[in-house]
Formats: sequence, C-alpha cells, structure tokens
Amino acid sequence: DGGITQSPKYLFRKEGQNVTLSCEQNLNHDAMYWYRQDPGQGLRLIYYSQIVNDFQKGDIAEGYSVSREKKESFPLTVTSAQKNPTAFYLCASSTTQGGGGYTFGSGTRLTVV
Amino acid sequence: KQEVTQIPAALSVPEGENLVLNCSFTDSAIYNLQWFRQDPGKGLTSLLLIQSSQREQTSGRLNASLDKSSGRSTLYIAASQPGDSATYLCAATGFQKLVFGTGTRLLVSP
Repeated sequence: DGGITQSPKYLFRKEGQNVTLSCEQNLNHDAMYWYRQDPGQGLRLIYYSQIVNDFQKGDIAEGYSVSREKKESFPLTVTSAQKNPTAFYLCASSTTQGGGGYTFGSGTRLTVV
Repeated sequence: KQEVTQIPAALSVPEGENLVLNCSFTDSAIYNLQWFRQDPGKGLTSLLLIQSSQREQTSGRLNASLDKSSGRSTLYIAASQPGDSATYLCAATGFQKLVFGTGTRLLVSP
C-alpha cells in the first residue's frame, strides 16, 4: 500500500544536539511538507518542497533544516539553534499544488532530555 | 493571510446523536478543503476532500459541505459512535500551503 513512513516514532534529544527525522513516501507525490504540532496551537508549517533539490521556508523555519535529494525522501534536521524543539512532528505529501489532497505520516514525537 | 477557525473547540455527545462540526476560513481563494481525523498521539487520517468546484462530499456516515462565498465548511456525522471520538481538523489549501484550524475534540459516550 502507498503511504508515508516516518521514523523514529519517538526521539530524545540532548541539549546542543542535532537530530534528524526521517520521512519517506511511495505515493509518487512531487510535494512534501513538514509540520510541527504543539498542544492547543494546531499545526504549523516548517518547510516544504515542491520538487527535488528545491525547498522553501514555512512559517516557523528557524532552527530547522531540510534536504530533498530524492523525490521519495524529505528528512528534517532539528538543530541546536531550535530552543524549544519538544513537539510532535508530522510529514505530509501531495501532488503539486495539493489538488488531490494531502497524505500524512504517523508522526515523530521529539522530546528534549 | 488565510486563517481557519473551528467551532466548537470541544463537543461531548451521547452515542447515536447526529452532529455538526463547523469550519470557517477568511480567504475564499482556496483550491480545496480537507477534513482530517486525529487520534491521540497519532498522525492525521484524511476523511473527506472537497475540491473548490464541488459543494459536498460523502463517505459513509460522514458528509462535508463547502460554501466558498461565505467561507464555511461543515462536517456532518450521522448516528455517532464511541469510535468516532477523536480530534477533527479542517484544512484549507491555498497556493503551496495547507492551513489548519485548531480542531474540534469530539467525545461520544456509550
């Protein structure tokens, strides 16, 4: 079955560490997205990519970085510059412009220890 | 800037009731409107997608309508069941972006 796979499900980060969240899709979607979800705040867009080797900042990109070397993969790195990284991270994909709707992964819960 | 609002924020009903969840958006220039369900600690499951040229979509006990001119969408759940308990999110698709409401937390009691 086609879908989006996020790993790991749970991730713990020490102060000053960079960590990378994985997102892989086999839906042949051109566009991929990263969202952050905090309790009571809804989902906020971190980065998105409409095509391989190109990506744009979303509303809360500071302290995060991404790459899009393959159509299927869109990893997110949470850098030490992100001062409040504890959150639930969701990856999504869609056809270009999202006309066919968005598909989401099962999420990664990141906790600072 | 697109803003999406969902009312009510929380809803508690007995099993068997029909219910309506509301979603409003400020910019009517949307590509489509998508409803999702989220269970605690889980990802988002797509329920219904309404294209901008459509007025409504149906799937089983769920029916969603879209009125672009008034900036509103409603999700109707018929004969609610305890398994429907979850958070329901609506999202409006604009240019290269999906903007979410903060959700309605639904609890259906047996």
